Amino acid sequence: GAVVSQHPSRVICKSGTSVKIECRSLDFQATTMFWYRQFPKQSLMLMATSNEGSKATYEQGVEKDKFLINHASLTLSTLTVTSAHPEDSSFYICSALGLPLSGANVLTFGAGSRLTVL
Amino acid sequence: AQTVTQSQPEMSVQEAETVTLSCTYDTSENNYYLFWYKQPPSRQMILVIRQEAYKQQNATENRFSVNFQKAAKSFSLKISDSQLGDTAMYFCAFMKLGSGTYKYIFGTGTRLKVLA
Repeated sequence: GAVVSQHPSRVICKSGTSVKIECRSLDFQATTMFWYRQFPKQSLMLMATSNEGSKATYEQGVEKDKFLINHASLTLSTLTVTSAHPEDSSFYICSALGLPLSGANVLTFGAGSRLTVL
Repeated sequence: AQTVTQSQPEMSVQEAETVTLSCTYDTSENNYYLFWYKQPPSRQMILVIRQEAYKQQNATENRFSVNFQKAAKSFSLKISDSQLGDTAMYFCAFMKLGSGTYKYIFGTGTRLKVLA
């Protein structure tokens, strides 16, 4: 079945530094990838939708300059948290929608990345 | 705008018993998909079951089945013969068809604990 690899699974950084999280579709081409943020014991909050070769579409309230998303190929999307601050600490999850569609528009999720900003 | 509501924050069930998790949604759309995802302690989101709104027949996947009531906008998940490995957070999700965006709207989740 479809597999999405997300790396790193955990990252700790100092305040003010930038962190990049990668999301790769391993055995399918992902025309669309989604980035979510999940706070402890809460649901997934959609941050942005990225389509290969075009600019990401950000949800209301998400700072596009803070959370840079690049979807340069059909198998890779990256989320860069720029000038990270402790309030950016969270669990970030990517998901991908593949080509050909599985027939049910099913999202495949990465395992998530826990970011801790000191 | 679509909304998804899961009214049970936490539930527990004895091993081998049956449990039903509720989900209601609000939409004016006619064509959409509904999903149940499971998030175990590993935090990996795993698809449990999906339902196309145009299908009247309820979806089933082994021990998992849904009760899809389109008119009532209800989409409950029944887990039969509960196993310890079913302990997880369960999210109900809605996706509108035809918008070209494929965005999922998730409910707030139900934390299920299977007791030995």
